[in-house]
Amino acid sequence: DTGVSQNPRHKITKRGQNVTFRCDPISEHNRLYWYRQTLGQGPEFLTYFQNEAQLEKSRLLSDRFSAERPKGSFSTLEIQRTEQGDSAMYLCASSHSGRNTEAFFGQGTRLTVV
Amino acid sequence: AQSVTQLDSQVPVFEEAPVELRCNYSSSVSVYLFWYVQYPNQGLQLLLKYLSGSTLVESINGFEAEFNKSQTSFHLRKPSVHISDTAEYFCAVRRANFGNEKLTFGTGTRLTIIP
Repeated sequence: DTGVSQNPRHKITKRGQNVTFRCDPISEHNRLYWYRQTLGQGPEFLTYFQNEAQLEKSRLLSDRFSAERPKGSFSTLEIQRTEQGDSAMYLCASSHSGRNTEAFFGQGTRLTVV
Repeated sequence: AQSVTQLDSQVPVFEEAPVELRCNYSSSVSVYLFWYVQYPNQGLQLLLKYLSGSTLVESINGFEAEFNKSQTSFHLRKPSVHISDTAEYFCAVRRANFGNEKLTFGTGTRLTIIP
């Protein structure tokens, strides 16, 4: 197992276009998280799944954002009608649902909206 | 809700000198505490964590952190830094005694090692 994998690593898109990112978690992990990190800031929680169920969404996740995790394996994060303010690093993490476990992060997808 | 304050946004340190990166948290419930490291254009790597037991926790590369409940702090220290320690360091918290849930991060401290 090579850890959490995110694709693409970089994405440049024009304002108004839709983009989709993919995250493949560590295979035995049932929880998957999405975070957003803007320049000079720490990561901010967006949403998380346990298996295929989306259990929590942050108020940061506007109507233009949607996340899915079909079959409880990989996840996708789609941003519709991108805005310049969406430019950020999007980080995915996965973990077990036990109490004393840790989250493992992928290398992130850097989105630039021009 | 929980919050994390990292008091120093940038810390320059000479190679082989000691360093302390400060982290304070606020929470109305018990928390677990973490330090993550981020190298340029990379994701986050867990450096060390406090869940329970000894309040002093150590990493494999010489960092240590001490949980101080009375001062609500979890400062990160290293007695002698190397050039390879240059990175951004994030302190994070999450609620204790629940299933793995979201992390709340501080704004990060950029550690720069001066040769």
